[in-house]
Amino acid sequence: GAVVSQHPSRVICKSGTSVKIECRSLDFQATTMFWYRQFPKQSLMLMATSNEGSKATYEQGVEKDKFLINHASLTLSTLTVTSAHPEDSSFYICSARRLWTANTEAFFGQGTRLTVV
Amino acid sequence: GQQVMQIPQYQHVQEGEDFTTYCNSSTTLSNIQWYKQRPGGHPVFLIQLVKSGEVKKQKRLTFQFGEAKKNSSLHITATQTTDVGTYFCAGAQGGSEKLVFGKGTKLTVNP
Repeated sequence: GAVVSQHPSRVICKSGTSVKIECRSLDFQATTMFWYRQFPKQSLMLMATSNEGSKATYEQGVEKDKFLINHASLTLSTLTVTSAHPEDSSFYICSARRLWTANTEAFFGQGTRLTVV
Repeated sequence: GQQVMQIPQYQHVQEGEDFTTYCNSSTTLSNIQWYKQRPGGHPVFLIQLVKSGEVKKQKRLTFQFGEAKKNSSLHITATQTTDVGTYFCAGAQGGSEKLVFGKGTKLTVNP
């Protein structure tokens, strides 16, 4: 099956610093990637939809200036958590679906465990 | 906005017992997908249902999509310890690439 690679898998950063998370679709092109946040023992909360070559679409309540998304190519989207605080500690997961085929499965990255100290 | 409710939140069974999780959407869906997330892992696609009333089987797993395309269920027959994990349903509305996930059902199996 298709592979989505997410890096890093774990990161610990100091409060006030920024962290960049990469999401790559390795064997298919994705005009759209999705960024989720998952708190312990909870569901996946969609944060934003990343669109190649245009601005991301953020869900209600998600600060666009804090969670910067860049989707510069058809295979790479990045999420930057700016000025991170302990409450930003969470599991962040990206997913991608194949180009031009809406009704297909979402392939998930391995996730990034962010800990802000 | 679109909401997807999933019950139960937790289910603990003895190995060999059956298990069912239910998903209900506030709006009609174009398709519904099911994912499994093992502890410490990421969600992995299980199946997609598109047609009204559709039933699909994968070995001991049976997936159903309601006639109104607003609800779905996943049934596991004779659970095994390898079935442990959290099962999520995710619904999509027509024309939207966005998947809305249910809260998931965490299944634990006692050997």
